[in-house]
Amino acid sequence: DTAVSQTPKYLVTQMGNDKSIKCEQNLGHDTMYWYKQDSKKFLKIMFSYNNKELIINETVPNRFSPKSPDKAHLNLHINSLELGDSAVYFCASSPTSGGHYNEQFFGPGTRLTVL
Amino acid sequence: GNSVTQMEGPVTLSEEAFLTINCTYTATGYPSLFWYVQYPGEGLQLLLKATKADDKGSNKGFEATYRKETTSFHLEKGSVQVSDSAVYFCALSVRTGANNLFFGTGTRLTVIP
Repeated sequence: DTAVSQTPKYLVTQMGNDKSIKCEQNLGHDTMYWYKQDSKKFLKIMFSYNNKELIINETVPNRFSPKSPDKAHLNLHINSLELGDSAVYFCASSPTSGGHYNEQFFGPGTRLTVL
Repeated sequence: GNSVTQMEGPVTLSEEAFLTINCTYTATGYPSLFWYVQYPGEGLQLLLKATKADDKGSNKGFEATYRKETTSFHLEKGSVQVSDSAVYFCALSVRTGANNLFFGTGTRLTVIP
């Protein structure tokens, strides 16, 4: 069973469209994350979320919004897509207990291409 | 603030060569340190970690020691294999509400037979 899964794996769309990427984890973790990996492989946190709070990286445009229907899912919605949004987006999860000692488990990534 | 500086790549080595990838960090507070590996077309997976000074993380022949005095966490392997070809990321996590990972820029390793 896949621990952290993302759909779709590839997403090609036009500028100005609205799209969503889904993430599910079956590890029973309380905290989930979204990261963006640019073309140079640099990874940057976008959001972290547990059932108590959402923490947003201040550099993330408000066109990006996470939605969590339940503890096992954290979906990423992107409005008015721009060329610069092209990247690979990774979802991750970790248990809350143990805090920053814990590893995060990553999904396989979604490659978003905006034309 | 929190940041990780990692050796620029790419690195190309012959099979059985010795590998070192340098990593230094700055952190607010006492961080946990990680090395993640990303194989082609895949997501990141934890390679090893260390949560306090002088701890040594090890896995699959890779090692890294948490050096507080030099704020470093260099990755080493005595004899690399072709299957080690991947991108390696050094990362830290600090005690905050978010426990986010702060990543270095990644180092691409290619091992040739």
